[in-house]
Amino acid sequence: QSALTQPASVSGSPGQSITISCTGTSSDIGAYTFVSWYLQHPGRAPQLIIYEVSSRPSGVSSRFSASKSGNTASLTISGLRAEDECDYYCSSYTTSSTVVFGGGTRLTVL
Amino acid sequence: QLQLQATGPGLVKASETLSLTCTVSGASIRGSSYFWAWIRQPPGKGLEWLGSAFYVKSIYYAPSLRSRVTISVDSSMNQFSLTLTSVSAADTAVYYCATFDSKRLFDHWGRGTLVSVSS
Repeated sequence: QSALTQPASVSGSPGQSITISCTGTSSDIGAYTFVSWYLQHPGRAPQLIIYEVSSRPSGVSSRFSASKSGNTASLTISGLRAEDECDYYCSSYTTSSTVVFGGGTRLTVL
Repeated sequence: QLQLQATGPGLVKASETLSLTCTVSGASIRGSSYFWAWIRQPPGKGLEWLGSAFYVKSIYYAPSLRSRVTISVDSSMNQFSLTLTSVSAADTAVYYCATFDSKRLFDHWGRGTLVSVSS
């Protein structure tokens, strides 16, 4: 299985919105609604921010939203803040009962 | 509050076997509906799922590592373990243990433990 494809980096100014794409195949993203997103600050464990394509766990800001179309999932962060600057990873369950992650996207808040 | 802590040697020699244990607190593995998972992250790189286990009934491994990796669950000790054989420098990484929910998400993560492979 290959890793999901994410842009290596994205950037935006405070207050703006950015979108991170995550492209897979019909065997992972396209097959199920089991797409999740994680953020990771340096030196810390990843933290779940989105599950089942677009659901937010309790306590996660509504500034984070996500969607899926075909084999591509997207994460949007609105009202960018300095503390949003970190790495973001998508993941998907696959038809082989395995899990695949994206390569990660570094968000820079300008 | 469910918590996970991975422990094991921080240094392993090339060609030898890496063994890590994740201790679960705040919940019982025996009565849980979670899968228990291992994920790793080489320095400066992305996340890689290694495998997930639900007791001994259902265990799934990353295809690229299937020949070298074993995950086991010890409900009596409330622990689960990772064994990776024939390690090389490419296996140097921070290893995380995590819970894998029925919604196919990783919601609880341990802090991670760095394992370096020396030549």
